[in-house]
Amino acid sequence: QLQLQESGPGLVKPSETLSLTCTVSGGSISSSSYYWGWIRQPPGKGLEYIGTIYSNENTYYNPSLKSRVAIFVDTSKNQFSLKLTSVTAADTAVYYCASGYNTAWYLDGLIDFWGQGTQVTVSS
Amino acid sequence: DIQMTQSPSSLSASVGDRVTITCRANQDIRNYLAWYQQKPGRAPKFLIYAASTLQSGVPSRFSGSGSGTEFTLTISSLQPEDVATYYCQKYNRDPTFGGGTKVDIK
Repeated sequence: QLQLQESGPGLVKPSETLSLTCTVSGGSISSSSYYWGWIRQPPGKGLEYIGTIYSNENTYYNPSLKSRVAIFVDTSKNQFSLKLTSVTAADTAVYYCASGYNTAWYLDGLIDFWGQGTQVTVSS
Repeated sequence: DIQMTQSPSSLSASVGDRVTITCRANQDIRNYLAWYQQKPGRAPKFLIYAASTLQSGVPSRFSGSGSGTEFTLTISSLQPEDVATYYCQKYNRDPTFGGGTKVDIK
């Protein structure tokens, strides 16, 4: 059973870059059995899908965030990371790292495993 | 862009009541529809995919139906532990969540 744990700064200044890392246990980040992603939830609001990275390092990004987002993998540490540039107050949210079983193309985007979430506040 | 709209945004029902939540897509998404349950202060939990297929371990009082543009999540007999916000998600290409439906006990 996969376990995911987010880490990173809880406070980021406007216009700077938000950087978060997700440490994976119970499975290999290199496994083709999973894809890895990030989802966020602004305070009191709903869920927003940020993006996904696959074992072949292909990525999908939400079109609304695509110009500012990067997701990448560090296989040596069994981690994957999120970078979001030029942040504003609208990027304040709980950020979840997440994973799904990479079983079929038509199931892409389903989330089977979630981290506990980490609060990131954008403020000067 | 495909938009997912849930209704109602919140509801209050008694223990044992039948509860129905609706999710509508503005384009045909076939059956690429999932449901998640999020309890306060917790990460979401995956309940249903392919509109009606229950994940392993999900109580049978939960069921899903629909295809195309209109979908429903039904709780046949509401229990206190079902207090949560429920989200639909269109998956496959461009995963998108609905706005959520908060379910409380009356």
